[in-house]
Amino acid sequence: QVQLVQSGAEVKKPGASVKVSCKASGYTFTSYGISWVRQAPGQGLEWMGWISAYNGNTDYAQKLQGRVTMTTDTSTTTVYMELRSLISDDTAVYYCARDLGSFDYWGQGTLVTVSS
Amino acid sequence: DIVMTQTPLSSPVTLGQPASISCRSSQSLVHSDGNTYLSWLHQRPGQPPRPLIYKISNRFSGVPDRFSGSGAGTDFTLKISRVEAEDVGVYYCTQATQFPRTFGQGTKLEIK
Repeated sequence: QVQLVQSGAEVKKPGASVKVSCKASGYTFTSYGISWVRQAPGQGLEWMGWISAYNGNTDYAQKLQGRVTMTTDTSTTTVYMELRSLISDDTAVYYCARDLGSFDYWGQGTLVTVSS
Repeated sequence: DIVMTQTPLSSPVTLGQPASISCRSSQSLVHSDGNTYLSWLHQRPGQPPRPLIYKISNRFSGVPDRFSGSGAGTDFTLKISRVEAEDVGVYYCTQATQFPRTFGQGTKLEIK
């Protein structure tokens, strides 16, 4: 069965970086892209960006350009999302989701807390 | 960017009664491949979103048939024929016709 398993919760100080992983299994990894979506406490869903697991092409949300990098490791079928220069507004649950015209499978979410 | 606007933002409903959520996009969601990549998600507190509907009207595996989607172009609707207690939570429409992907603000469904 398709599964996306994310890394555990993180606590970071302002200005630091965080790298969240999303391990995919149960399907042909390179046939799908992965989007990252975040949700601040009590807020709605915010799309952060997308990466093709086939060739590594990316598309990032404009507001995060320059701070976010998404990568894949096809040998371990894992996708990574790194966010730099963290601020308190980056405190959120971060989700990876398989994306081929719809978000059909989601990771369990990773809470990232940014606090001094 | 395509703006997705949902109405209502809150919907108190009686168990067993129908519910309807509207989603309007700021531009047509018809892709150059002819498909319309409009989907619906349901999220309960503390849970990741659960996919319900894709390409306007197709239910994902395991989704009860009391959920249905309809619409075209820029106007879409999610209907629940008879609301059950497990249907509470927030519903989001989302488009994947173009980047950036965008979501509606969410509609909170609660039981009266």
